[in-house]
Amino acid sequence: DVKVTQSSRYLVKRTGEKVFLECVQDMDHENMFWYRQDPGLGLRLIYFSYDVKMKEKGDIPEGYSVSREKKERFSLILESASTNQTSMYLCASSFQDRAHQPQHFGDGTRLSIL
Amino acid sequence: DAKTTQPPSMDCAEGRAANLPCNHSTISGNEYVYWYRQIHSQGPQYIIHGLKNNETNEMASLIITEDRKSSTLILPHATLRDTAVYYCLRMTTDSWGKLQFGAGTQVVVTP
Repeated sequence: DVKVTQSSRYLVKRTGEKVFLECVQDMDHENMFWYRQDPGLGLRLIYFSYDVKMKEKGDIPEGYSVSREKKERFSLILESASTNQTSMYLCASSFQDRAHQPQHFGDGTRLSIL
Repeated sequence: DAKTTQPPSMDCAEGRAANLPCNHSTISGNEYVYWYRQIHSQGPQYIIHGLKNNETNEMASLIITEDRKSSTLILPHATLRDTAVYYCLRMTTDSWGKLQFGAGTQVVVTP
């Protein structure tokens, strides 16, 4: 079974802090994604990566950065946390070279910025 | 601009088949139909996907109409653990980075 593991299920941070969210997958997937999910807004793509050290902006990259130093790990960084970044953050991964492969998700990190 | 249309909610008795409809009347030839579900406080879980043929796996069956304008996800023997929000998506290989979840169907399985 595909396993996508996010480092924390719940996290509370303060405004202005630098926040790191970690994601690890064990299926040798090339693609990795970070989304946030908010009530009424659905799932929104923040950043994705299709290879080590490669990254692409999604729909809402402002206030975030990412790091992919190893194939299995994709980190989301909130440079200076703000209250409007309180959300559920979801990491996903998928194969790249096999057509129509689905994305597999972790269980999410519920982040609260106070 | 809703790309898929699903009923907002559905109840199903435990042990019975749950049939979840999805309308995607404007689907294009290179778009697949994907189904995910999300159990409360968990990440979305992939269920099944298809292009034009019916598909079956250990979780569910997917029936796609011949004109591809609609599909039905079938959970053959619903259990209480199948209570979740079910999402029907359209996706091409070009848009692999952009999963767009609509409101989905809240399925409640009752004893």
